[in-house]
Amino acid sequence: KNEVEQSPQNLTAQEGEFITINCSYSVGISALHWLQQHPGGGIVSLFMLSSGKKKHGRLIATINIQEKHSSLHITASHPRDSAVYICAVLTGANNLFFGTGTRLTVIP
Amino acid sequence: ETGVTQSPTHLIKTRGQQVTLRCSSQSGHNTVSWYQQALGQGPQFIFQYYREEENGRGNFPPRFSGLQFPNYSSELNVNALELDDSALYLCASSFRGREGQYFGPGTRLTVT
Repeated sequence: KNEVEQSPQNLTAQEGEFITINCSYSVGISALHWLQQHPGGGIVSLFMLSSGKKKHGRLIATINIQEKHSSLHITASHPRDSAVYICAVLTGANNLFFGTGTRLTVIP
Repeated sequence: ETGVTQSPTHLIKTRGQQVTLRCSSQSGHNTVSWYQQALGQGPQFIFQYYREEENGRGNFPPRFSGLQFPNYSSELNVNALELDDSALYLCASSFRGREGQYFGPGTRLTVT
C-alpha cells in the first residue's frame, strides 16, 4: 500500500467546470505539497500547506490533518490546466512521498 | 535567485553502462534530494544529501550513488545500468530546517 493515495487517477472535464482532486495519506507529516507536472516532466510546486486552506488564483488547496486528507480544487477550469497533479507529503525526516498523480484533461 | 537546474536534459545509454546526472541547487539551499519517476508513476525517493553527506536513502540498490559538492551542487551516479532504470530523474533542493523543496526540470534517461 502506498503512503499516499490520490483519486481519481484520470479526470476529463469541460472548460469551466469545477474540479476536485483528492489525496489521502497514512504517515505522519510536517507538510503536504500539491505539484503540477506538464508533459516533458518539469514539476512546479503549487502549494505547500500544513493546515487549513490556501488559495492562489483559481486554485484552492485544503488539508484536514485529523483525517489525513487533502483536496485540490480548480475553479473555472481551462484547457491550460491540463497536466498531471501530484500530491506529496513531507515527513519529519524531510523526505517526500509522492502519490501517483491525477491526469487532468480539460476540453475546450 | 537562480532556480534548480539539471543536466543533461535527455540521455540514452546501453545496459551495463554507467551514467552521471548533475544538479545545481537553488541559491542558498544546502540540501539536495534525488527522485526517480518511472513512466506513469509518481516519483520515488532515491536519497538526500546535506552538507556533502548522505542524509537518508530510499529503497534503491548500492549501484545508485551520489555526491554533493561544497557549493551544494550534486551528482547522481548509476552503475551497471538496467532497462528498468529508464525514467525521469528529478532533483530538488531545499534549505534544511525550512520547508519547501524546489524541483529541477529533470533528466530523462533511456536505457536500451
